[in-house]
Amino acid sequence: ETGVTQTPRHLVMGMTNKKSLKCEQHLGHNAMYWYKQSAKKPLELMFVYNFKEQTENNSVPSRFSPECPNSSHLFLHLHTLQPEDSALYLCASSQDRTGGDEQFFGPGTRLTVL
Amino acid sequence: GEDVEQSLFLSVREGDSSVINCTYTDSSSTYLYWYKQEPGAGLQLLTYIFSNMDMKQDQRLTVLLNKKDKHLSLRIADTQTGDSAIYFCAENGAFSNTGKLIFGQGTTLQVKP
Repeated sequence: ETGVTQTPRHLVMGMTNKKSLKCEQHLGHNAMYWYKQSAKKPLELMFVYNFKEQTENNSVPSRFSPECPNSSHLFLHLHTLQPEDSALYLCASSQDRTGGDEQFFGPGTRLTVL
Repeated sequence: GEDVEQSLFLSVREGDSSVINCTYTDSSSTYLYWYKQEPGAGLQLLTYIFSNMDMKQDQRLTVLLNKKDKHLSLRIADTQTGDSAIYFCAENGAFSNTGKLIFGQGTTLQVKP
């Protein structure tokens, strides 16, 4: 595997379910990110991790819970979601957090909440 | 607050030049970016420009930055059907050391043969 991978690619869940999204980067990067991409809205940053420490939480509801066990893996745990949480969830990584460092994106997980 | 705006749609003929425009509000941005998203894929960085530059050229791509008007543009020369995608403008604003980027809504580029 190369680059940034995300699983699953598609997920359908009910509002009472608990599920997790997984992201893995094979680039040796130190920073990882979760973004939400909704139809007709700008891409929204959710969380930033740098060296496994969360450095940014962009006022995300607590029904989204990130976990970064090491610099290569990032999870997004989901519980009691709402239909408006349906979106494409993108993971990204970069060497560091400073400006100019390219963020490499995974293909995303298409989430549908029924 | 920070805001990045783009027109939503652009249609051009194959072989023509495409110009995608973007305006932003945060004058403290040190880097401005153009990303491309093809269907079913994540975002791919096309190019970026440092705020003390006014132009950057990379093969078919030319980025122009007008810092006074807070206006960024991406010109694609000799546009091909493979260039059809969504193009996102982004800035790092006051967050140059946090990794946070502010994205526009994206411009869908349609290239007609």
